[in-house]
Amino acid sequence: DAGVIQSPRHEVTEMGQEVTLRCKPISGHNSLFWYRQTMMRGLELLIYFNNNVPIDDSGMPEDRFSAKMPNASFSTLKIQPSEPRDSAVYFCASSLELVSGTQYFGPGTRLLVL
Amino acid sequence: AQSVTQLGSHVSVSEGALVLLRCNYSSSVPPYLFWYVQYPNQGLQLLLKYTTGATLVKGINGFEAEFKKSETSFHLTKPSAHMSDAAEYFCAVSDQKGAQKLVFGQGTRLTINP
Repeated sequence: DAGVIQSPRHEVTEMGQEVTLRCKPISGHNSLFWYRQTMMRGLELLIYFNNNVPIDDSGMPEDRFSAKMPNASFSTLKIQPSEPRDSAVYFCASSLELVSGTQYFGPGTRLLVL
Repeated sequence: AQSVTQLGSHVSVSEGALVLLRCNYSSSVPPYLFWYVQYPNQGLQLLLKYTTGATLVKGINGFEAEFKKSETSFHLTKPSAHMSDAAEYFCAVSDQKGAQKLVFGQGTRLTINP
């Protein structure tokens, strides 16, 4: 079975450019999570959706970040404009159950903003 | 607010030796507790989780963890380390009252010496 799919796997961009990260959750899962991992801050939850509806976006660092989930099989995380401090690995995870459900992580997108 | 503390950012053991990775949590409500493993350049994979019931939880790859409420701990152990266990390990907590908003510890990098 296909796991969580993320694209691109690597992204190098220049400061000020728009960056769009994509995620396809596991089929049938109804919760989707976006995380950011850095050496300094570890793993941080940015936002999560349940049944395509954003439930908690309190982890989104600032207005430059936005996330959408137009349908059950696709989500995007957009950074506009990007800054060097946004450089990190961004993970998408999905879950079948919102409460106590195991989260299945994608391989991540490694973002470098120059 | 919930929090997780993993004692020791790096742990090194010999092949065949006991593995002990420490995790203490803080939660004002009954917690759900998780251990995830991350291999290089990969996403996180669930090792085991505690929700309710038996406090000794067995996971994949021979790992187990014991929930000790009085000590607010959820330490991860494996009787005999294998070279393939080398990875980064994350403890995480969420609460039983609400949705699964995982709070991760900073991670412990496990090195296995031949």
